[in-house]
Amino acid sequence: GNSVTQMEGPVTLSEEAFLTINCTYTATGYPSLFWYVQYPGEGLQLLLKATKADDKGSNKGFEATYRKETTSFHLEKGSVQVSDSAVYFCALSDRGGGADGLTFGKGTHLIIQP
Amino acid sequence: DSGVTQTPKHLITATGQRVTLRCSPRSGDLSVYWYQQSLDQGLQFLIQYYNGEERAKGNILERFSAQQFPDLHSELNLSSLELGDSALYFCASNGGVQETQYFGPGTRLLVL
Repeated sequence: GNSVTQMEGPVTLSEEAFLTINCTYTATGYPSLFWYVQYPGEGLQLLLKATKADDKGSNKGFEATYRKETTSFHLEKGSVQVSDSAVYFCALSDRGGGADGLTFGKGTHLIIQP
Repeated sequence: DSGVTQTPKHLITATGQRVTLRCSPRSGDLSVYWYQQSLDQGLQFLIQYYNGEERAKGNILERFSAQQFPDLHSELNLSSLELGDSALYFCASNGGVQETQYFGPGTRLLVL
């Protein structure tokens, strides 16, 4: 079956540091890949997505590239801010994100210190 | 604000009881998904409805059921509740096969 593996953290960084959160996946088909973010006390918000190999998703300074050869979708940001503190979830859908439920990783708790 | 609404925000109940969680999808979205978020299991897909019909099933217990009504809102029914059912329950919606799922703020269920 499908699965997503990501580092759980917490990951603690100083403001303006470089961020990488690793995500690897196992899927039977050709999945679409997503990063969602959950701020304290809130629901999940889509951060970015990529629907095919070599696509790069980007939003709010975050980027992730769909790497089929390494089955990875690592999240990166060049300079983090305190406001980026949240839980980040990597997810996949092997029907393009619409016709089936998403498979999520366990989530990575990110803490940015001023 | 995703446009997906869920009620109630919080629910406290006792073991053995039955509760109903409600979700209203974004305007125009035909698909509704239910997810459970717990400390042990993380975020798990429970079930999907599309335009009133069940479309896909995930790790949903037999004690749980859902339906989608003609106005497209959905309800998740949880019965014979156990302590382990305490979790955040999210609803998400989208409009078609290739589209992103948009999540509601969740209902936090506490079973005592």
